[in-house]
Amino acid sequence: EPEVTQTPSHQVTQMGQEVILRCVPISNHLYFYWYRQILGQKVEFLVSFYNNEISEKSEIFDDQFSVERPDGSNFTLKIRSTKLEDSAMYFCASSVGTSRGEQYFGPGTRLTVT
Amino acid sequence: KNEVEQSPQNLTAQEGEFITINCSYSVGISALHWLQQHPGGGIVSLFMLSSGKKKHGRLIATINIQEKHSSLHITASHPRDSAVYICAVRPPLGQGNLIFGKGTKLSVKP
Repeated sequence: EPEVTQTPSHQVTQMGQEVILRCVPISNHLYFYWYRQILGQKVEFLVSFYNNEISEKSEIFDDQFSVERPDGSNFTLKIRSTKLEDSAMYFCASSVGTSRGEQYFGPGTRLTVT
Repeated sequence: KNEVEQSPQNLTAQEGEFITINCSYSVGISALHWLQQHPGGGIVSLFMLSSGKKKHGRLIATINIQEKHSSLHITASHPRDSAVYICAVRPPLGQGNLIFGKGTKLSVKP
């Protein structure tokens, strides 16, 4: 069964460093999402992406964040200058369509900023 | 802004018990999702529904659009059902982003 994959599973970085989290969505899906979950808190929406552009973003997704689909398969989330409060689990998800599709989640990348 | 409330926050059950987890939301939605999050953190989609009832194995999800309420039922619960169950709603407009509840932590004892 096709699945969303994410790499790395755990990333440790120092404050101020740039990180890139990678996702490979399910191949025939068209909509891609990033969510994050700070330890002990609920999952929060960051950004959605369709047709090679951001379709919606939350207040969390400020200028420190960017997303890209650099080739036909990868979907990346870049955090330009990490802060301690960026420590969280980051989930990628994909769906066939927004109005009818279930979202399939990747296993997550645990980002630890020290 | 849609608020998603789940109850209970924590639930302990004995193996074999019938379990109900509730979700209520404050404004209109286009769909509601029930998700399962295991201790390792991974999230699995259980159901997506916009009306009525869906069943998959021992899991049943219902939604009442007028009352802005959904329930997830687990029949004949088993220790492997232990996980956090999350309700998430999709706004009627927008590009499919989900608004999540805080989750219900279920522990099923043998």
